[in-house]
Amino acid sequence: EIVMTQSPATLSVSPGERATLSCRASQSVTTNLAWYQQKPGQAPRLLIYGASTRATGIPDRFSGSGSGTEFTLTISSLQSEDFAVYYCQQYNNWPPERTFGQGTKVEIK
Amino acid sequence: QVQLVESGGGVVQPGRSLRLSCAASGFTFSSYGMHWVRQAPGKGLEWVAVMWFDGSNKYYAESVKGRFTISRDNSNNTLYLQMNSLRAEDTAVYYCARETVAGYTSSPFDPWGQGTLVTVSS
Repeated sequence: EIVMTQSPATLSVSPGERATLSCRASQSVTTNLAWYQQKPGQAPRLLIYGASTRATGIPDRFSGSGSGTEFTLTISSLQSEDFAVYYCQQYNNWPPERTFGQGTKVEIK
Repeated sequence: QVQLVESGGGVVQPGRSLRLSCAASGFTFSSYGMHWVRQAPGKGLEWVAVMWFDGSNKYYAESVKGRFTISRDNSNNTLYLQMNSLRAEDTAVYYCARETVAGYTSSPFDPWGQGTLVTVSS
């Protein structure tokens, strides 16, 4: 099983500031890495796939980077609606388990 | 529009069984791999199981292997999760989710259903 580790667990950021979230895989997943946003009481929403491609309708203040085992999600200027929990997920072809990181909560400073 | 709707959750005693359903609409269900993901109260996302688009393969998380069974009915656009020998630690919101890309290609999940809550308690 590929283990995904996110840091930090909680990130306190002021509106308008930049947020940088990290995700590490226990083995290479090339660029088979996605980021999801989840707000309380809602299902997760796909933000980024292929490590750096924004999903349909996702604002360009969200950007992803990385390959192999190290990945980053950057929110360039936090808006009020961006305060949420963010998860990374690997989707390598093999093994078929699609493991998630434990999440990073972005909260208002 | 593309939609997934889960049902079948509820309160169940430890050791009992429950079957969840996920009704799909707005896309060709038989072309996509489908997954179950769960989230315990206040916790993160845990991948549970996958079934290939054609039903040819299925895989499970170690935590549910031997107790849970994923299946699908492509003629009725429905995904199932049969959960047996339930434990307190299976308490969670269960989501079904679709691969973004049809066929055998591994891809991220979109869309997700709204989730159904399973509570295992005596």
